[in-house]
This record gives sequence, C-alpha cells and structure tokens, in this order.
Amino acid sequence: ETGVTQTPRHLVMGMTNKKSLKCEQHLGHNAMYWYKQSAKKPLELMFVYSLEERVENNSVPSRFSPECPNSSHLFLHLHTLQPEDSALYLCASSQAGFGTNEKLFFGSGTQLSVL
Amino acid sequence: EDQVTQSPEALRLQEGESSSLNCSYTVSGLRGLFWYRQDPGKGPEFLFTLYSAGEEKEKERLKATLTKKESFLHITAPKPEDSATYLCAVREDGATNKLIFGTGTLLAVQP
Repeated sequence: ETGVTQTPRHLVMGMTNKKSLKCEQHLGHNAMYWYKQSAKKPLELMFVYSLEERVENNSVPSRFSPECPNSSHLFLHLHTLQPEDSALYLCASSQAGFGTNEKLFFGSGTQLSVL
Repeated sequence: EDQVTQSPEALRLQEGESSSLNCSYTVSGLRGLFWYRQDPGKGPEFLFTLYSAGEEKEKERLKATLTKKESFLHITAPKPEDSATYLCAVREDGATNKLIFGTGTLLAVQP
C-alpha cells in the first residue's frame, strides 16, 4: 500500500466515548501532521511531529491527545469531545521535516461526528 | 493578521469554458505558495508550488501564476473531471513554518 492511510474513514461517537484515529504513511517521510477541516473554514493545523518529536501544538484542547510511536504511525486519541469537534480530520506527511518548505501529502481523512 | 483569501467561493463552468481562480495573501515574506486539489471525501492533493513573483507552472489544463500579492489558477478548456475544491496555502518567512490555508474555491464543470 502506498501514500498516507487513515482509519477509520467514518466515526460516530458520543460525548463520553473514547476513540482513536490512526494514520500510517508508507512514503518514508520524517514529519507527520494532524489537521482539522470544518465546513467553510480553512484547514487548521493541530499537531506536528518531526522525527517522532512533537514540534507544534497549535493550542488544541486537551481532549485531543496525539501519539507518534514511530515515524510511520500517528494516532489522535479522542475523549470527552463536544459536538463542535465534528469535522474531517486529516493526516499528512512531509519528507524532510517541519522546518522545510515542502509540500504535504494528505490521507483521505476521518469524518468524525460527535453526538 | 496574516491571511489567505480565495475567490470566488464557488464557480460553475460549462465544459470548455476557461476561467481563473484567485488567491490573495498578506504575509510579511512569502516562502512559498501552494495549490492543492481536493475531491469530495478525499484529502487535498498537491498541484503546484510557486516561490517568487513572475513564476508560472503548468499541468495539463491548469496553469498557476504568482504576483507579490496574489496567485491565479487558470483553467483552460475545463472538463467535468476538473470539478473539485481548489485550495491555496502560503508559508511565510520566519520562525513559524505553518501553512496558512484559504477556504477554497468549489469548481463545478458541467458537460
């Protein structure tokens, strides 16, 4: 399998649930990102990991918790979410790392609905 | 405040009807301007990077141009398969390496 793969594609959860989003990149890249995409809003950067270290935490509420066990895998752990957290969550990767001016490769996203 | 503004918000074209999408930006120093295409239910797919005013890049029916304050994505003789949302993003000079995205232009090309 090639590119950036995200699972699940769709997720419906209640406000008291705990769930995790998974991202895997098969490109040999060194940086991985979580973005949030809401309707009619620009993509919002949430977290960045470069060489498995978190280098950016863009003032994201603590109910979102990232984990990067190695350079190919990225998780977003979710707990006690709010309905306004419903959105498309996109994972992306870049080759050389966060400090470069490179393009991003995106996965297809997880469409999250919080009831 | 730095921002990226795309216009129009939505555009409907007939097949073969050429047009342009606009991305205007306000950053203190441009490090790069990126165009992405996003199909429904998918993540953005990279199209072009432009680095300096006067630069142009082409790919099939698409041509991206850059000035000091804006970029245009020209679509020549579009086909229905060009229908998608086109996103513009800029990266500015300085300590922050984040991409700042616009809200996109939704393009529909009718046969």
